Amino acid sequence: QQPVQSPQAVILREGEDAVINCSSSKALYSVHWYRQKHGEAPVFLMILLKGGEQKGHEKISASFNEKKQQSSLYLTASQLSYSGTYFCGTNGGSNYKLTFGKGTLLTVNP
Amino acid sequence: ETGVTQTPRHLVMGMTNKKSLKCEQHLGHNAMYWYKQSAKKPLELMFVYSLEERVENNSVPSRFSPECPNSSHLFLHLHTLQPEDSALYLCASSQGQGYGYTFGSGTRLTVV
Repeated sequence: QQPVQSPQAVILREGEDAVINCSSSKALYSVHWYRQKHGEAPVFLMILLKGGEQKGHEKISASFNEKKQQSSLYLTASQLSYSGTYFCGTNGGSNYKLTFGKGTLLTVNP
Repeated sequence: ETGVTQTPRHLVMGMTNKKSLKCEQHLGHNAMYWYKQSAKKPLELMFVYSLEERVENNSVPSRFSPECPNSSHLFLHLHTLQPEDSALYLCASSQGQGYGYTFGSGTRLTVV
């Protein structure tokens, strides 16, 4: 069953912050986050594993709440280059299946 | 060449044709994946190979046939496709479970 992402779309001005959420109805072993720009391949941002801590990547970080089966991606002081569609992918741990959400379209304007 | 390379980038085929998509990775990864990306739909997992053995087959119609001859190459053989099979087909690789995926740029397939 695919995870649910929210919001579906968000528009920011450069320098503003955003949070993208990913929820699953099943217990999770890992959560992946990817960004895809139009016409390009999805690019891996980070992975959060069960029992792991919050991860950071420059001004993009994420958290993983195992009890709530949720993950959030935090983008701070957004830059124009952050524009794209953000996908979370979830895995229950017992197999290689990574199931993706529908994506969140992030637009950063000058 | 580094990363994940997919060929061709674009493919137009008739419903009676047979064609193949190719994926190649030089990252030393031991798992490879085929995903389908359609407009307004999430990425759909099709097949997973780990150490050249198919470990996932996500209820994909038999008109799609994967092949993994070695850990660096993955093929998707196509035959008797339908117009609704038109989509972007993405190949990815990873070191295994618990690692991020590296995606190729995809093959944009149009079935006419």
